[in-house]
Amino acid sequence: AQSVAQPEDQVNVAEGNPLTVKCTYSVSGNPYLFWYVQYPNRGLQFLLKYITGDNLVKGSYGFEAEFNKSQTSFHLKKPSALVSDSALYFCAVRGVGSSNTGKLIFGQGTTLQVKP
Amino acid sequence: GAGVSQSPSNKVTEKGKDVELRCDPISGHTALYWYRQSLGQGLEFLIYFQGNSAPDKSGLPSDRFSAERTGGSVSTLTIQRTQQEDSAVYLCASSLGGLAGVYEQYFGPGTRLTVT
Repeated sequence: AQSVAQPEDQVNVAEGNPLTVKCTYSVSGNPYLFWYVQYPNRGLQFLLKYITGDNLVKGSYGFEAEFNKSQTSFHLKKPSALVSDSALYFCAVRGVGSSNTGKLIFGQGTTLQVKP
Repeated sequence: GAGVSQSPSNKVTEKGKDVELRCDPISGHTALYWYRQSLGQGLEFLIYFQGNSAPDKSGLPSDRFSAERTGGSVSTLTIQRTQQEDSAVYLCASSLGGLAGVYEQYFGPGTRLTVT
């Protein structure tokens, strides 16, 4: 079965410092991976996706993610955090095989807190 | 352009009542998804529609839940005989369709359902 794990419930970082939000996945075959962000009382916003090719994927708002097949990870990164980046971040994998209807399987989410 | 819209934004209902939640996807998006977000269960897939194909109902938690999509556009999620455990935020998403592509999903703001 496909699954996604976000091992940290919360990540705290000071403004201007680099940030990393961790994600590992379990899926048979080639994964399609996504990051979404959710601001309070809002729906999810797409940040970036990995399909194939370059392991470093660039997305919206200066975020990027690094795909590592050997470690089955897809960590979200940003070189310099902003207070406005504070939000709930979700990693997701698209179902494959018999589950391949395009549905997303989400991690539990990681709250990012950026302090001034 | 207009994003995914959902109505109502909030719904409070008494246990045992039926509720209907509406989703208007982005124009031209052939794929439509319903997810549920709750504190205990995170983000769960409920149902998926793609064009005229039979929907993937594998995520519906019980036969009290049903959904339809009329004219390939608007979708309604119906919960019959609501229970307190149905309290959650119900999110709708749409995307360009076809499983050959890997398309990001665009989410609506959600409907917060509270069952008293």
